Amino acid sequence: AQKVTQAQTEISVVEKEDVTLDCVYETRDTTYYLFWYKQPPSGELVFLIRRNSFDEQNEISGRYSWNFQKSTSSFNFTITASQVVDSAVYFCALTPREAGNMLTFGGGTRLMVKP
Amino acid sequence: DGGITQSPKYLFRKEGQNVTLSCEQNLNHDAMYWYRQDPGQGLRLIYYSQIVNDFQKGDIAEGYSVSREKKESFPLTVTSAQKNPTAFYLCASSVSGTFTGELFFGEGSRLTVL
Repeated sequence: AQKVTQAQTEISVVEKEDVTLDCVYETRDTTYYLFWYKQPPSGELVFLIRRNSFDEQNEISGRYSWNFQKSTSSFNFTITASQVVDSAVYFCALTPREAGNMLTFGGGTRLMVKP
Repeated sequence: DGGITQSPKYLFRKEGQNVTLSCEQNLNHDAMYWYRQDPGQGLRLIYYSQIVNDFQKGDIAEGYSVSREKKESFPLTVTSAQKNPTAFYLCASSVSGTFTGELFFGEGSRLTVL
């Protein structure tokens, strides 16, 4: 069985601060995929990124960056120079390769960015 | 625009009543899913369907039922057997047969049992 833990239930920052959302996972599978999704106030989840277990390169996309460390089973998400529009609930998720699109989600982290 | 439409957005129900949540997609996706979201617990899978006329139980299927008679539609019925039905329900879809992990979500339906 898989497990995803997001220990930070709620984070509050002031605009332009950097913020890191933590994600720790457990799986016995050697081939798996990790994801981050964003849930804005409108309710729908929006896909942000997918990483496979063989690719530990960090990734940067604009103000977003992701740090995957297999040794610590972590897949952390950093927002640089946060903006009010970043306010949302962020979910980390995991799926083993053979489970296809059956994702196991973490409990989510609510990020509030204040002006 | 292509997407997933869930209705109603808000629903109130008395105890002992069944209620059906609608989910329609025009993305031409084969696979559809129903998730339940409770505060602090993330999303938990209720049912999923990889193809028309076929569906499988997820982690918390008890007290729920679904049907998949059309590719575009995957309604969820919350029955009176569901002990704690008050929650936020999310429908999603994905391209089946091709693993991407990318699910497309609707805006959800919030069910409150009075």
